[in-house]
Amino acid sequence: DAKTTQPNSMESNEEEPVHLPCNHSTISGTDYIHWYRQLPSQGPEYVIHGLTSNVNNRMASLAIAEDRKSSTLILHRATLRDAAVYYCIPPRRDGGTSYGKLTFGQGTILTVHP
Amino acid sequence: DTGVSQNPRHKITKRGQNVTFRCDPISEHNRLYWYRQTLGQGPEFLTYFQNEAQLEKSRLLSDRFSAERPKGSFSTLEIQRTEQGDSAMYLCASSWAGETQYFGPGTRLLVL
Repeated sequence: DAKTTQPNSMESNEEEPVHLPCNHSTISGTDYIHWYRQLPSQGPEYVIHGLTSNVNNRMASLAIAEDRKSSTLILHRATLRDAAVYYCIPPRRDGGTSYGKLTFGQGTILTVHP
Repeated sequence: DTGVSQNPRHKITKRGQNVTFRCDPISEHNRLYWYRQTLGQGPEFLTYFQNEAQLEKSRLLSDRFSAERPKGSFSTLEIQRTEQGDSAMYLCASSWAGETQYFGPGTRLLVL
């Protein structure tokens, strides 16, 4: 599996943008980058995924470096509900075109101050 | 749209007892995954099913652990002769054909 590196923790103020970085220098050319987050006392929640170009959805944006060795999850206006652990995951394909298990690292603990 | 559900949400047991957890996936999902999460760590993969077939098992899944998905719908995870080291959050997730995984709320196990 590709290895990922994320900062242990980050802090933000409410309604400010947050940029959560992830290094994944060993990712293969065909693996998507997935981001999940885990709110306190809940199971992980899918946030976004992408392959090469930047991606947007209602929760966040994902900026992927041209060399694909890093990516940044962008929360445009952080709210208190965004306080969570954010995981960057390049999942391993299970031999076909689909993904099997997810390998979670330590993730980044995001604290949002009111 | 009902998400992934897990029961019970909490379980306290004494060392040496057997426990069983249930996971009900999103109805049209054919893949079901089990993960374990200890305090301060990210979830760790245990096993997954495609329909009723168990396709992969982690080395973490000792012979005291057994998972089933008999009809390709709900799944059970049984731990026999529990040990204090089994105390963790057990998470279930489901997906359609290996795409995005959707997680349940987890079952928190405490072994005394």
